Amino acid sequence: AQSVTQLDSHVSVSEGTPVLLRCNYSSSYSPSLFWYVQHPNKGLQLLLKYTSAATLVKGINGFEAEFKKSETSFHLTKPSAHMSDAAEYFCVVSEYRSNTGKLIFGQGTTLQVKP
Amino acid sequence: DAGVIQSPRHEVTEMGQEVTLRCKPISGHDYLFWYRQTMMRGLELLIYFNNNVPIDDSGMPEDRFSAKMPNASFSTLKIQPSEPRDSAVYFCASSLSLSGLTNTGELFFGEGSRLTVL
Repeated sequence: AQSVTQLDSHVSVSEGTPVLLRCNYSSSYSPSLFWYVQHPNKGLQLLLKYTSAATLVKGINGFEAEFKKSETSFHLTKPSAHMSDAAEYFCVVSEYRSNTGKLIFGQGTTLQVKP
Repeated sequence: DAGVIQSPRHEVTEMGQEVTLRCKPISGHDYLFWYRQTMMRGLELLIYFNNNVPIDDSGMPEDRFSAKMPNASFSTLKIQPSEPRDSAVYFCASSLSLSGLTNTGELFFGEGSRLTVL
C-alpha cells in the first residue's frame, strides 16, 4: 500500500530565504508524485509532478522537487521565498500504473513567510 | 476551460436538514472524486467515480452520505440528515483516464463548498 509522510506540519521562513518542505513516500509500484498548493479559501492547485521522467522536476512559481528513489523522498524547494508563497502544501502519491484512480495526500505543511 | 465548478460555495444549515452539494467536472474527464477537508482529519477521499460508476465509496462516513453521478457532466453529494460534525469543506475533483500513456493522475480541483451545520 502506498503512503506519504510530510515531515513538518509547519515551516516558517523569512522572505527571500530558501524554502524546503520535506516529503517521504512509500509505494509498491513506480509512483507518480505531486505537490499541490492550497491558498486560503481556495481549492488545490498543482505545483509540479514527477512521472518517471527527469528526477528533478520544475514547477510553477519557481518551485522544484527532486525524486530520490534511494531515499524515497520528494522534497519541495524554492531558492527565495515570496510573501505570496504562504499557503498549505500537500505532497501526493499516485499509483497510476495500478489503475486504482486514487491519490494519497499527505497531512499538509503550512508555509509561513515573514517579511 | 471553466475548470471544475462546485455549488454552493457556502452553505449554512441546521442539524437534521438535508444538504446537497453539486459538481460539474471538466469536460472530457472520466474520473470524479469527492473529498472532505477538516482541520482535524485533513483531506479525506469520500468516493470516486469512473465513467459515472462509483468505484470506491469506502471513505463515505456513514449511510447519511450518498453520492450520485447521473451523467458525465454532473455529480451530487447528499447528506441527510446533516449533523454538526459534518461541517467541513467539500471538494470535487476530476481527472482523465489512467489508461492513457500521457496521463499522470493529475487532479483538477474545484474551489470547494464550505458547509456549516449548526
